[in-house]
Amino acid sequence: DIQMTQSPSAMSASVGDRVTITCRASQGINNYLDWFQQRPGKVPKRLIYSASTLQSGVPSRFSGSGSGTEFTLTISSLQPEDFATYYCLQHNSYPPTFGQGTKVEIK
Amino acid sequence: EVQLVESGGGLVQPGGSLRLSCAASGFTFSDHYMDWVRQAPGKGPEWVGRIRDKANSYTTEYAASVKGRFTISRDDSKNSLYLQMNSLKAEDTAVYYCTRSSTGWFDWFDPWGQGTLVTVSS
Repeated sequence: DIQMTQSPSAMSASVGDRVTITCRASQGINNYLDWFQQRPGKVPKRLIYSASTLQSGVPSRFSGSGSGTEFTLTISSLQPEDFATYYCLQHNSYPPTFGQGTKVEIK
Repeated sequence: EVQLVESGGGLVQPGGSLRLSCAASGFTFSDHYMDWVRQAPGKGPEWVGRIRDKANSYTTEYAASVKGRFTISRDDSKNSLYLQMNSLKAEDTAVYYCTRSSTGWFDWFDPWGQGTLVTVSS
């Protein structure tokens, strides 16, 4: 199975901060990499697919980049509603696997 | 509006069985692959399995942790997805979500239903 490792596991940030989350795959995944946001008590919601394509309706402050085995989710200016846990997902091969999550908390 | 609504969760003893359902609306259900994803309390999501469409013979894939115990099926005439869970273990305790995927490799797991909680405990 492909292992997905996110860093950091948790972070504290302030409204307006630029936030970067990294996801590393144990082998190349051909950019079949998605990012999900899960607010407390809510259902995961896809933000980014194919590494860098913004899901319809998602604010443009979210962006994704990377290729091969290293990928990044960036929030350009953190808003109050962005405090949540973020997960990466690879679906290059079965089984699809998620990262362990990055919890973004209020500083 | 695309909607996925799971049902059938509850408390079951270890070794028991449970059948989850997912009712789909707002899209052409028969044209999509469908997946089950679960999330144990305080943990990240874990893929459970997939069923493909009729054009791909309704073939299935399963996570190693559930293979041989869980069975995914669908009824396109009822726009419904099912997860039959047998020989349940404590570690199967989780919220179970159904989610939609395209038939290709690009568009997976969007959207998710609200989930149904399965608790395996004596």
